[in-house]
Amino acid sequence: EDKVVQSPLSLVVHEGDTVTLNCSYEVTNFRSLLWYKQEKKAPTFLFMLTSSGIEKKSGRLSSILDKKELFSILNITATQTGDSAVYLCAGHNTNAGKSTFGDGTTLTVKP
Amino acid sequence: SQTIHQWPATLVQPVGSPLSLECTVEGTSNPNLYWYRQAAGRGLQLLFYSVGIGQISSEVPQNLSASRPQDRQFILSSKKLLLSDSGFYLCAWSRILGWVEQFFGPGTRLTVL
Repeated sequence: EDKVVQSPLSLVVHEGDTVTLNCSYEVTNFRSLLWYKQEKKAPTFLFMLTSSGIEKKSGRLSSILDKKELFSILNITATQTGDSAVYLCAGHNTNAGKSTFGDGTTLTVKP
Repeated sequence: SQTIHQWPATLVQPVGSPLSLECTVEGTSNPNLYWYRQAAGRGLQLLFYSVGIGQISSEVPQNLSASRPQDRQFILSSKKLLLSDSGFYLCAWSRILGWVEQFFGPGTRLTVL
């Protein structure tokens, strides 16, 4: 059974801090690792990672995948209150055609 | 552009009552469709997915069922709700042929009393 574990489960920081969110996975026929941000309702897509060691970057957010150690990290630099959300990662099983999600990391950024 | 609709946004139902949640996608054809449930403070649990009309795969045994009567319509149903069915239900779609990114609808918050 595919499994994705995220840590920490929750995190409280102050504006301007840098945070690192972790995601480890055990996914059969692994194709991709995806990160989503969920604020109030629907998760929105952040990154899709398929290759080890290649950093994906979008503004203050960046992510990298290690396919040997089976984990990914999501970094957020100079955090803002608008970064407060649940961050979900998911491992995609290409044969089954579906993704398994972790329980998420709840990030709270205080002013 | 593609849009995904879900309704209702919020639902309060008594135990033992039936359920029907609807999801429709616009602006694409032959999408993969998914139903997820999210308990408070938890990740997304995949309930059903569909790769075509009438084709439903069930992930978790339970008293819920899903149907896909049209290419871009996905319905989640129950004949008799349980307290444990309470949660946030999300519908999502993805392009087929290996496209993995999923696009989520606004969700339905279901409370079973």
